[in-house]
Amino acid sequence: SQQGEEDPQALSIQEGENATMNCSYKTSINNLQWYRQNSGRGLVHLILIRSNEREKHSGRLRVTLDTSKKSSSLLITASRAADTASYFCATVQNTGGFKTIFGAGTRLFVKA
Amino acid sequence: EAQVTQNPRYLITVTGKKLTVTCSQNMNHEYMSWYRQDPGLGLRQIYYSMNVEVTDKGDVPEGYKVSRKEKRNFPLILESPSPNQTSLYFCASSLSRLEETQYFGPGTRLLVL
Repeated sequence: SQQGEEDPQALSIQEGENATMNCSYKTSINNLQWYRQNSGRGLVHLILIRSNEREKHSGRLRVTLDTSKKSSSLLITASRAADTASYFCATVQNTGGFKTIFGAGTRLFVKA
Repeated sequence: EAQVTQNPRYLITVTGKKLTVTCSQNMNHEYMSWYRQDPGLGLRQIYYSMNVEVTDKGDVPEGYKVSRKEKRNFPLILESPSPNQTSLYFCASSLSRLEETQYFGPGTRLLVL
């Protein structure tokens, strides 16, 4: 069963605008990660936020985590055409193993 | 170069013909996982391994087997493939329990006729 759910499913914006994607999850987690995938290729890790962190930045990326609402958001500022990709959140369940749940992803299209 | 490699990258087979997809990482990572990706469903974890000889089921293990005899290799075995196993498969590895960033292979596209 998928516990990570992203919204929106698809997002189309103009270059220079900000893009915000949201992720919800259901169980207790150790951390939440965001990944990017270009057109059927392997996923690339973007950023990891731990359960005791509320916000994290990396370049033009800003991730927030609200464990009380079991949700996270990824903000990409000043988007570029090269940011066009699918973005996925992933959670590792806090059960001692390494069971990882990915959301269905948000497809971002940035128009030049 | 640090990487996760998968072979083959593309495979067309027929129902019932056993196949193995290999996965190898050169980063001395403890954790390795297999995922399948289907349209609209994101990635679903098939199996994972926390170390040599330690494997556990993910969300969709039915119809698959894995083994971890060496730290660097984590093959995915389909004993009797069926058309519903047509998918894009990814192998991934991560350093340890405390560093859970996963590094993904390039993917294997499998078509089962």
